[in-house]
Amino acid sequence: DQQVKQNSPSLSVQEGRISILNCDYTNSMFDYFLWYKKYPAEGPTFLISISSIKDKNEDGRFTVFLNKSAKHLSLHIVPSQPGDSAVYFCAASVASGSRLTFGEGTQLTVNP
Amino acid sequence: GAGVSQSPRYKVAKRGQDVALRCDPISGHVSLFWYQQALGQGPEFLTYFQNEAQLDKSGLPSDRFFAERPEGSVSTLKIQRTQQEDSAVYLCASSFRVGQPQHFGDGTRLSIL
Repeated sequence: DQQVKQNSPSLSVQEGRISILNCDYTNSMFDYFLWYKKYPAEGPTFLISISSIKDKNEDGRFTVFLNKSAKHLSLHIVPSQPGDSAVYFCAASVASGSRLTFGEGTQLTVNP
Repeated sequence: GAGVSQSPRYKVAKRGQDVALRCDPISGHVSLFWYQQALGQGPEFLTYFQNEAQLDKSGLPSDRFFAERPEGSVSTLKIQRTQQEDSAVYLCASSFRVGQPQHFGDGTRLSIL
């Protein structure tokens, strides 16, 4: 039972445009959500998080949106840069600090 | 460095051998997690420590897997009588306290021949 799903295995965008990565979850007990970026042969790097009491959190070029009723979150990257090319993982937890449940990841490619 | 450090980076073992994977968390981080990542998948939770106490080991796939953190800092994940399906990247993560994001090491890639 995949509780966190990223339905797009890959996404390709042009440099300077917006990248939108999507994530759906099924467990209504999840109340803390995170996005991680992963380069080959490296561990995941934390990008941004959001708790269920919010519907938006912004950090520089990265914004995460949470729609609790739809059990959906998205990561917006504006403007996209070639260095953003990586695998992006969505993750969720029941309490902020407990075990993370990850999606399968989306490979983002930003073309110069 | 100041990040989570894992060793070895790569480990090749024959089926049936025992292996031990080490994790040095960020100094002062109370929480420590182990995850297993199969090729093309997201990381999957194995076990969780708060200081030296193992609070959750529900993700360990069999009794061949054992983890410890005896002094509340360095942790070791041990796999006994390895099987081919144990081949994966093993990731360690730590966080300063509850409510803070987990920070990951670069993982140990384990290959069982």
